[in-house]
Amino acid sequence: AQSVTQLGSHVSVSEGALVLLRCNYSSSVPPYLFWYVQYPNQGLQLLLKYTTGATLVKGINGFEAEFKKSETSFHLTKPSAHMSDAAEYFCAVSADSSYKLIFGSGTRLLVRP
Amino acid sequence: EAGVVQSPRYKIIEKKQPVAFWCNPISGHNTLYWYLQNLGQGPELLIRYENEEAVDDSQLPKDRFSAERLKGVDSTLKIQPAELGDSAVYLCASSRDRDTDTQYFGPGTRLTVL
Repeated sequence: AQSVTQLGSHVSVSEGALVLLRCNYSSSVPPYLFWYVQYPNQGLQLLLKYTTGATLVKGINGFEAEFKKSETSFHLTKPSAHMSDAAEYFCAVSADSSYKLIFGSGTRLLVRP
Repeated sequence: EAGVVQSPRYKIIEKKQPVAFWCNPISGHNTLYWYLQNLGQGPELLIRYENEEAVDDSQLPKDRFSAERLKGVDSTLKIQPAELGDSAVYLCASSRDRDTDTQYFGPGTRLTVL
């Protein structure tokens, strides 16, 4: 069975600082990995995804993530935080023929002025 | 291209009442998903449709929940009767087909059961 662990339910950074949101997954087969962002009272929006190929994946809004098989990780980073990045971020894995997404519990990013 | 549309956005009902949620997926998307999102948690899949066929409903509490997608386009999720613990956000998502991994989510329906 697949699972996702997001370390830190809340992460606070200063505007302009590095953003690092951690995600570790468990899967017995090569996974597909996703990061979604959710703004208040809105649905989830795809930031980026990894399927195969290059392990460093670039997404929207300046975010990127690196798939590290040896560490079973898929951490999300952004070099410089903006106030508009404040939201809830969800990591998800899809690793079987059903393509069902298994989500982590989310990390709320707070950006301080 | 219009996104996934859900209605209503908010619903408040008393326990034991019925409630229904509607979802219209992105045009041309054959696969439709209903997710439940409890406060402070990630979404959990309730049911997945491929066209009009429910291909994964293992997480749907069938004693009170039902869903349909009669013409393989829009879908309705129903709860009857609602319980206090059903208070949550119900999200609908769609993808072109199950081999296309990107799921596009609607804004959700926030249900409050009093």
